[in-house]
Amino acid sequence: QSALTQPASVSGSPGQSITISCTGSSSDVGGYNYVSWYQQVPGKAPKLLIYDVSDRPSGVSNRFSGSKSGNTASLTISGLQTEDEADYHCSSYSSSGSVVFGGGTKVTVL
Amino acid sequence: EVQLVESGGGLVQPGRSLRLSCAASGFTFDDYAMFWVRQAPGKGLEWVSGINFNSGIVGYADSAKGRFTIYRDNAKNSLYLQMNSLRTEDTALYYCVKGQYSSSWYFIFDFWGQGAQVTVSS
Repeated sequence: QSALTQPASVSGSPGQSITISCTGSSSDVGGYNYVSWYQQVPGKAPKLLIYDVSDRPSGVSNRFSGSKSGNTASLTISGLQTEDEADYHCSSYSSSGSVVFGGGTKVTVL
Repeated sequence: EVQLVESGGGLVQPGRSLRLSCAASGFTFDDYAMFWVRQAPGKGLEWVSGINFNSGIVGYADSAKGRFTIYRDNAKNSLYLQMNSLRTEDTALYYCVKGQYSSSWYFIFDFWGQGAQVTVSS
């Protein structure tokens, strides 16, 4: 059982926007602005999409955006494309001095 | 181009040991923290261990404390994970991961290797 809760799956049509939630507690997501998001295409290694809640590394499309409200962080993918089909993982710094992950969300483009 | 290549995985019996290695290239290795993150079959990601740029700070998940040891050789641009007293629940794909900063207190994983499979079974 993962420390952070993500929906198992989210789907959308090409061009739509979808949002993936990541719910934790005041000891992790709610207590720090240290949430990251990773994209993992099946059979591949994860790729950093978002860090520090809403910052994007160089080279990551601006169709990916992050936000946080209370104990829940969110990843929004706008203008959904077939290449966005992947698993998405959130992580957060934890008051225990470590990092915790969500269970991952499978995104399907209909 | 950043490259992280893991090796040393395999099938091992419970209670035995295994050492994973990670060869890094394409960046100044001794400027960055490094980590091991694992993924059990069909499961999410789990942080295992981290080490800062000069080996001065190391950290372990509770599941790894007392059994696993992380270390690095900056002269060889290499990261290691010595795993002892392996359990069936350690079965996973182990990723070598580069940190975004020199400190292992910042858990931002900006580059990942392809992973080394570790299977613990009798």
